[in-house]
Amino acid sequence: DGGITQSPKYLFRKEGQNVTLSCEQNLNHDAMYWYRQDPGQGLRLIYYSQIVNDFQKGDIAEGYSVSREKKESFPLTVTSAQKNPTAFYLCASSLDHRAGYGYTFGSGTRLTVV
Amino acid sequence: KNEVEQSPQNLTAQEGEFITINCSYSVGISALHWLQQHPGGGIVSLFMLSSGKKKHGRLIATINIQEKHSSLHITASHPRDSAVYICAVKVGGAQKLVFGQGTRLTINP
Repeated sequence: DGGITQSPKYLFRKEGQNVTLSCEQNLNHDAMYWYRQDPGQGLRLIYYSQIVNDFQKGDIAEGYSVSREKKESFPLTVTSAQKNPTAFYLCASSLDHRAGYGYTFGSGTRLTVV
Repeated sequence: KNEVEQSPQNLTAQEGEFITINCSYSVGISALHWLQQHPGGGIVSLFMLSSGKKKHGRLIATINIQEKHSSLHITASHPRDSAVYICAVKVGGAQKLVFGQGTRLTINP
């Protein structure tokens, strides 16, 4: 079955360490997104990518980096520059970023920095 | 003020009750999504609307473009409907979805 796989589900890291969250999709979707969710707040966009080898900053990109070397994969690195990295991270994909339909979400990664 | 506001923020009801969750938005949109997030965190897309009404099983979603308002209804609610329901809008030609803060629904047996 097609879908989005995020790994790991739970991740613990020491303060000051970079950490990379994995997101893989087999839906043949062009667009992929990373969102951050904090308690009591709506999801906020970190980065998005419309096609391979292209990505754009979202609303809260500072302290994060991404790559899109393959259509299927859109890993997110949380760097030591991110001041408050503990959060729930969701990856999503869509067939066409312009049309507004066909969004599929992953199951998320809960990152805790200690 | 957030571009997307949901009400109520929390809702507790008894099994079998009719549930309504509301979403108001302040921007021009090309589509509105209703999403369901279970305690584990994963999100499932329930509906995408640009006009009118859609129904899937016990779930009904409506949208009024003129009033910039959408509602999600659940008929004959069941404890397995307990989840956070999220409204999200695609703003015109923008690249992203804008999300409401979610409504936490608890259905007691």
